[in-house]
Amino acid sequence: GDSVTQMEGPVTLSEEACLTINCTYTATGYPSLFWYVQYPGEGLQLLLKATKADDKGSNKGFEATYRKETTSFHLEKGSVQVSDSAVYFCALSEKTNAGKSTFGDGTTLTVKP
Amino acid sequence: NAGVTQTPKFRILKIGQSMTLQCTQDMNHNYMYWYRQDPGMGLKLIYYSVGAGITDKGEVPNGYNVSRSTTEDFPLRLELAAPSQTSVYFCASRRTENTEAFFGQGTRLTVV
Repeated sequence: GDSVTQMEGPVTLSEEACLTINCTYTATGYPSLFWYVQYPGEGLQLLLKATKADDKGSNKGFEATYRKETTSFHLEKGSVQVSDSAVYFCALSEKTNAGKSTFGDGTTLTVKP
Repeated sequence: NAGVTQTPKFRILKIGQSMTLQCTQDMNHNYMYWYRQDPGMGLKLIYYSVGAGITDKGEVPNGYNVSRSTTEDFPLRLELAAPSQTSVYFCASRRTENTEAFFGQGTRLTVV
């Protein structure tokens, strides 16, 4: 079955540091890939997505590129802010599977001033 | 634009009690899902629906039941609550199979 493996956390960075959160996946077909962010006490919300190989998703300074050859979708940001502190989830969904998403376990990011 | 609305936000149940978690969406999405999130873990799929009148089991359906009589509503029923059902429950919807999911704010359930 499908699976998503995320870099284990927690991750603690100083403001303006670079961020990379690794995500690799296993899928039977050609999934769409997503990064969701969860702030304390809230539901998940979409951060960015990519629907086919070599697509780059970007939003709020975050980027991730769909790498089919390495089955990866790593999340990057060049300069993090305190407000980026949250839990980040990598996920995939397959068109042939009723859109049932498979999620990674989440990576908690804390950014210190 | 309300999106996905879940009620209640918090609930404490005693072992053996029953309850229904409500979920409604106003985006006319056919696909709806119930997940549970345990501490430090990702989301596990409980049940899902691809349209009104159609539901199916996910990864962890035991102890739960759902119905989908309308496009908007997708309630989750817990019968005979057990401590293992202590979790945060999220409802989500999506327009098509590979578009992004929209999540409710969650229901934090404690079974004592």
